[in-house]
Amino acid sequence: EPEVTQTPSHQVTQMGQEVILRCVPISNHLYFYWYRQILGQKVEFLVSFYNNEISEKSEIFDDQFSVERPDGSNFTLKIRSTKLEDSAMYFCASSERQGQPQHFGDGTRLSIL
Amino acid sequence: AQSVSQHNHHVILSEAASLELGCNYSYGGTVNLFWYVQYPGQHLQLLLKYFSGDPLVKGIKGFEAEFIKSKFSFNLRKPSVQWSDTAEYFCAVILTGGGNKLTFGTGTQLKVEL
Repeated sequence: EPEVTQTPSHQVTQMGQEVILRCVPISNHLYFYWYRQILGQKVEFLVSFYNNEISEKSEIFDDQFSVERPDGSNFTLKIRSTKLEDSAMYFCASSERQGQPQHFGDGTRLSIL
Repeated sequence: AQSVSQHNHHVILSEAASLELGCNYSYGGTVNLFWYVQYPGQHLQLLLKYFSGDPLVKGIKGFEAEFIKSKFSFNLRKPSVQWSDTAEYFCAVILTGGGNKLTFGTGTQLKVEL
């Protein structure tokens, strides 16, 4: 079964540094998402992306965050200047169409020191 | 804003016991409903989904869920759990016509003991 793949599995970064999390969605999917889960809390929506632009974003997704689909396969989340509170598990997901089940990657554990 | 509540945070059962995990959502419009499972060290996997039609939906691994519109509920059930069902279970909702944002519940950690 096709999978969403995420790299790296664990990223440790100094506060204030930029970090890029990478995702390869399922190849025939058109909608891409980022979610995060702070330890002990809910999985929270960050952003959805369709047709090379952001279709929806949450309050969490402020100017420090950006997403990009630099080529036909990768989907990246960039945090420009990381803060301690950005420490979380970040999940990428993709779906074929709007409202359809989203398929998740294994996540990247981001630790900010 | 829509929200999803899962009232059981930790559930411990013996093998062969029956399981019911509660899920309620707080939106009066039309929703698509999902249950996801996360086994230790693995990614979120779809267990089952409800879009429309028969409110009793069957998913993988013997799980089923019942959508009760009047109660805004979508409870997950399994008649007889196995040790391998030990995992975290998440209920999630998408508003139809309201974008693609999945709103998750807090999750229920299920431990099945031999």
